Amino acid sequence: DIQMTQSPASLSASLEEIVTITCQASQDIGNYLSWYQQKPGKSPQLLIHSATSLADGVPSRFSGSRSGTQYSLKINRLQVEDTGIYYCLQHYSAPFTFGSGTKLEIK
Amino acid sequence: EVQLVESGGGLVQPGRSLKLSCVASGFTFSNYGMNWIRQAPGKGLEWVAYISSGSSYIYYAETVKGRFTISRDNAKNTLYLQMTSLRSEDTALYYCARAHYRGWFAYWGQGTLVTVSS
Repeated sequence: DIQMTQSPASLSASLEEIVTITCQASQDIGNYLSWYQQKPGKSPQLLIHSATSLADGVPSRFSGSRSGTQYSLKINRLQVEDTGIYYCLQHYSAPFTFGSGTKLEIK
Repeated sequence: EVQLVESGGGLVQPGRSLKLSCVASGFTFSNYGMNWIRQAPGKGLEWVAYISSGSSYIYYAETVKGRFTISRDNAKNTLYLQMTSLRSEDTALYYCARAHYRGWFAYWGQGTLVTVSS
């Protein structure tokens, strides 16, 4: 099974700051990596698909990148509404696996 | 507008069974693969099962294999998860999610809560 190692587990940052969350895949998954945001009490929402493509309606301050088997989610100019938990997901092969999540708080 | 509405959750004793449903609307259900994902209280997301559009391909997480069965009725626009031999560790909010053909989970329901306890 493919393991997704996500870091950091938690993050506290100031408004307008830039933050980066990473996921390391245990083997090659190509671009079969997506990112989700989950706000308190809500369902997860798709942010990024295909490792680097912004989902419809997602602000352009969110971006995704890939370097080999390491994937990153970057949030530019952090806003209050970005508070939540962020997850990566590999859907290259079943069993599909999520990262453990990164809890993002605004200072 | 795409909508996914889960139902069927509730309190159930260990060892018993429960069947979840997810009714889809706003898109051609028979064209898309579907997933079940769960989230234990205060924990992260765990993928549970996938079924392809025509039910030809079905996959399960190891934690539920042999106990859970995913199925669908395309005529009723409904996805199911039959859960048997339930354990306390199956307690979670269960989401259904529509899969893009390249695999990502584009749309999610609001979830239905399953509590396994005596």
